[in-house]
Amino acid sequence: DIQMTQSPSSLSASVGDRVTITCRASQSVSNFLNWYQQKPGKAPRLLIYGAYNLISGVPSRFSGSGSGTDFTLTISSLQREDFATYYCQQSFNTPDTFGPGTKVDFK
Amino acid sequence: QVQLVESGGGVVQPGRSLRLSCVASGFTVSSFGMHWVRQAPGKGLEWVAVISYDGYNKYYADSVKGRFTISRDTSKNTLFLQMNSLRDEDTAVYYCAKDRQAAAGTGLDSWGQGTPVTVS
Repeated sequence: DIQMTQSPSSLSASVGDRVTITCRASQSVSNFLNWYQQKPGKAPRLLIYGAYNLISGVPSRFSGSGSGTDFTLTISSLQREDFATYYCQQSFNTPDTFGPGTKVDFK
Repeated sequence: QVQLVESGGGVVQPGRSLRLSCVASGFTVSSFGMHWVRQAPGKGLEWVAVISYDGYNKYYADSVKGRFTISRDTSKNTLFLQMNSLRDEDTAVYYCAKDRQAAAGTGLDSWGQGTPVTVS
């Protein structure tokens, strides 16, 4: 199985900050890498698929990059509604493993 | 409008069985891969199982292989998860989710609200 890691596991930031979250796969997943946002008590929401493709309706301050084993989710200017937990997921091989998550909270 | 509504969760003793359902609307389950994903209390997301759009292929996480079975009823546009020999570690909120496209690997773009399962 492909193992996914994320860093940091949590971070504290302020509104307007630029935030970067890293995701690493234990082997190449090409660009089959997806990012989700989850708020407490809610289902996850797909933000980015295929490493960099923004889902319709997702604000353009979110962006994704990377290929192979190393990927990045960037929030260019953090907004209040962005405080949440973010998960990467590889869909290159079954099982479609998730990363452990990165919690973004208020500084 | 795409909607997924899970049901069937509850409290069950270890070793017993439970069957979860996920009713889909706004699309047909025979057109997309369908997944179950779970989340233990205070923990991250764990992928559980998938059934391909054509129903021919089913895959499971090692943690549930041999105990859980994913299936669907296209006439009812409903996804199921039959969970047997339940363990304490199966306690979680169970979500059903839909592939973004018929072809697998393009992300899960719609999710249900989740149904909680407690094994105790």
